[in-house]
Amino acid sequence: AQSVSQHNHHVILSEAASLELGCNYSYGGTVNLFWYVQYPGQHLQLLLKYFSGDPLVKGIKGFEAEFIKSKFSFNLRKPSVQWSDTAEYFCAVIKAAGNKLTFGGGTRVLVKP
Amino acid sequence: DTAVSQTPKYLVTQMGNDKSIKCEQNLGHDTMYWYKQDSKKFLKIMFSYNNKELIINETVPNRFSPKSPDKAHLNLHINSLELGDSAVYFCASSQERAEAFFGQGTRLTVV
Repeated sequence: AQSVSQHNHHVILSEAASLELGCNYSYGGTVNLFWYVQYPGQHLQLLLKYFSGDPLVKGIKGFEAEFIKSKFSFNLRKPSVQWSDTAEYFCAVIKAAGNKLTFGGGTRVLVKP
Repeated sequence: DTAVSQTPKYLVTQMGNDKSIKCEQNLGHDTMYWYKQDSKKFLKIMFSYNNKELIINETVPNRFSPKSPDKAHLNLHINSLELGDSAVYFCASSQERAEAFFGQGTRLTVV
């Protein structure tokens, strides 16, 4: 069965620190990959996506992610976080030939001012 | 204009009641989903519809019955509500395997 793992459940860091959140998926075929952010009390919003091409994708708010096919990974990065980046971050995967968008367990990020 | 809208935003009800949540998308997408987000923020897919046809039905109690009158609407009816049904329910839509757009969520509290 398709699964998505986010290794860090909680991350606490100070403003201006760098952030990297891990995401691994279990499916071996072609996939589309996403990172979503959920600010407190709000719905999920798309940060970035990868379908094909350059494995380093840039998203909104200074986020980027790198797809490493050999590692089945799609890690999210931001060089310098702000207090406003405090949120829950979700990785999601859908098979290129599938219908099921599966989410990881989420990572709660707390940025201290 | 809200792309994916859900109503109501909050729902407080007693155990045993029946309630419905409505969802509408104006993006012209073919696929719509219902997700349940528990208190630990875990997002679990419940149902997925493509052009009004049910294509994914995860292991959800049959007290939950989705209905899609047309491809822009996907409603969720829940019978005999239980305490464990308390959660935030998100509707989403997408076009094929592209990104999903989410509604604002419905916070259901069963007392």
